[in-house]
Amino acid sequence: DAGITQSPRHKVTETGTPVTLRCHQTENHRYMYWYRQDPGHGLRLIHYSYGVKDTDKGEVSDGYSVSRSKTEDFLLTLESATSSQTSVYFCAISVGGYRTEAFFGQGTRLTVV
Amino acid sequence: SQQGEEDPQALSIQEGENATMNCSYKTSINNLQWYRQNSGRGLVHLILIRSNEREKHSGRLRVTLDTSKKSSSLLITASRAADTASYFCATDYRIKAAGNKLTFGGGTRVLVKP
Repeated sequence: DAGITQSPRHKVTETGTPVTLRCHQTENHRYMYWYRQDPGHGLRLIHYSYGVKDTDKGEVSDGYSVSRSKTEDFLLTLESATSSQTSVYFCAISVGGYRTEAFFGQGTRLTVV
Repeated sequence: SQQGEEDPQALSIQEGENATMNCSYKTSINNLQWYRQNSGRGLVHLILIRSNEREKHSGRLRVTLDTSKKSSSLLITASRAADTASYFCATDYRIKAAGNKLTFGGGTRVLVKP
């Protein structure tokens, strides 16, 4: 699976608690993305990174923050989880430039109760 | 709002028939890509077409791109039961100093009946 590992794969958490999801790559790709997938909405971009410490917002960034302190790790934090953040979260990586085909992780199923 | 939108949302065909799905987008792009997702799995890249290309083939896949209409189509010929999946278009556009942004549409669910 293109050297991408998401952890945890499943998580149940309570409303109001902080949650951090981790995406780890072994491909040394420049770009990393976090998406959420919900029925009827397809995949929506939360945040992405175009280099170490270089990040930008996506379509649905409210309530989420990210950090990338080294090439291989991209962390997504839900500062105070809400039920509306129950979703499947996917991390993706790409080389960038004109070869922007992305490789996806297996996803993290997060349930906020 | 999402950059790409697929049509139809769902498609049911018999094995051996062709499946066609369309994607419309809103802004200028570097390229457009199609992905497949099997239930419960991550997305898998199928094909990429650059903004200066009009048609591309890969095996049983044919993709067209019309930048004047901001639309693309994916054709799967001679479909098989194993083609049952959701298909997503993704648009790549470059944001000054912030690199490439890759955004997806809502997807088309394809069911190929044996």
